[in-house]
Amino acid sequence: AQKITQTQPGMFVQEKEAVTLDCTYDTSDPSYGLFWYKQPSSGEMIFLIYQGSYDQQNATEGRYSLNFQKARKSANLVISASQLGDSAMYFCAMRVFGNEKLTFGTGTRLTIIP
Amino acid sequence: SAVISQKPSRDICQRGTSLTIQCQVDSQVTMMFWYRQQPGQSLTLIATANQGSEATYESGFVIDKFPISRPNLTFSTLTVSNMSPEDSSIYLCSVERWVNTEAFFGQGTRLTVV
Repeated sequence: AQKITQTQPGMFVQEKEAVTLDCTYDTSDPSYGLFWYKQPSSGEMIFLIYQGSYDQQNATEGRYSLNFQKARKSANLVISASQLGDSAMYFCAMRVFGNEKLTFGTGTRLTIIP
Repeated sequence: SAVISQKPSRDICQRGTSLTIQCQVDSQVTMMFWYRQQPGQSLTLIATANQGSEATYESGFVIDKFPISRPNLTFSTLTVSNMSPEDSSIYLCSVERWVNTEAFFGQGTRLTVV
């Protein structure tokens, strides 16, 4: 079975600072994908970034980057130059290849302070 | 990305009644997924809906309570039957355009049962 752990229930960060959201995962399968989603107060789930287990480089998408440390089974999300609009819940998720089910962590509520 | 239209966006329902949530996708997809997010919690997969076959339910979810239809490759419905206050949640539909890629979500249906 797969498990995702997000140990930070809430974070407060000053605007324009960088922020790291932690995510560790557990699986015995060598082939998997890791995802980060943002959920604003409106409730929609917005896909941010993806990292495959065989990817050699860390994924980046604009201000988002994923710090992938395979040996430590961690996939932390880094947001550079935070903005007020980044205030939201952030979920880390994982899927083992061949299994369509996404397993989500418990989320981190990020609040950006002006 | 996929454009997903989910209706209704929110509803307040009386206990004992049923609500049907619709999910329309802008292109054909093989699999559609239904998730529940209870207040302050993470997302939990209810079932996977394939066109032309019965939905596959996760542990703890049954067809009598959450019947699902998938009449074609762009549309699905989830019914929450005989509702109780414990069913108050956000319900989200999700699709993947390609296997092992990111999942896209509808805007969610915020259900309150009184």
